[in-house]
Amino acid sequence: ILNVEQSPQSLHVQEGDSTNFTCSFPSSNFYALHWYRWETAKSPEALFVMTLNGDEKKKGRISATLNTKEGYSYLYIKGSQPEDSATYLCASRPNNNAGNMLTFGGGTRLMVKP
Amino acid sequence: DTAVSQTPKYLVTQMGNDKSIKCEQNLGHDTMYWYKQDSKKFLKIMFSYNNKELIINETVPNRFSPKSPDKAHLNLHINSLELGDSAVYFCASSQGFFRGAGGEQYFGPGTRLTVT
Repeated sequence: ILNVEQSPQSLHVQEGDSTNFTCSFPSSNFYALHWYRWETAKSPEALFVMTLNGDEKKKGRISATLNTKEGYSYLYIKGSQPEDSATYLCASRPNNNAGNMLTFGGGTRLMVKP
Repeated sequence: DTAVSQTPKYLVTQMGNDKSIKCEQNLGHDTMYWYKQDSKKFLKIMFSYNNKELIINETVPNRFSPKSPDKAHLNLHINSLELGDSAVYFCASSQGFFRGAGGEQYFGPGTRLTVT
């Protein structure tokens, strides 16, 4: 995988449903994986920065896991609420001397219906 | 207080003009960035900059140049604007730059540039 890819592109769920989506990134030369939440008409906001294989991070009802060997991360939302509606972006940082330069995926747009 | 601010929010200009977008962060971060949100809504890194090193994404035309008067500001200057430069430009900042450092990035509200 040369780019950062996210699936699905969009997702509609009912309030109360739990959901998850995937981020695939280059596993070679990996340094860190970022997740951001981007609400319409706002700026992206950081959720998690993950670096270690097997890492699992949690913030409220949102959690993420990381597999650096196979190059994927999952984001989980438990009991989705309408306010969770947003685009969720992941971004990969390679292990090089290019500073904290991130390559973003295209995002997963989540819509939660009341 | 806004952590990362950009001005202007909207910028409409004609082809061939030179324009600047300003970015300021009050988080005390040592690294700032410029991103372009392309027509497919992807965020593409343009520059990463701290007071020691500028890293340029090789796909960025040299008409684009970052200018940093101090650690809290990173302005984006664009020469000879073209229609294809129309996009939303986001500034961001973080603490840490080199290998072994570098955390989450804080984004500004974006500047929508329209070139006519």
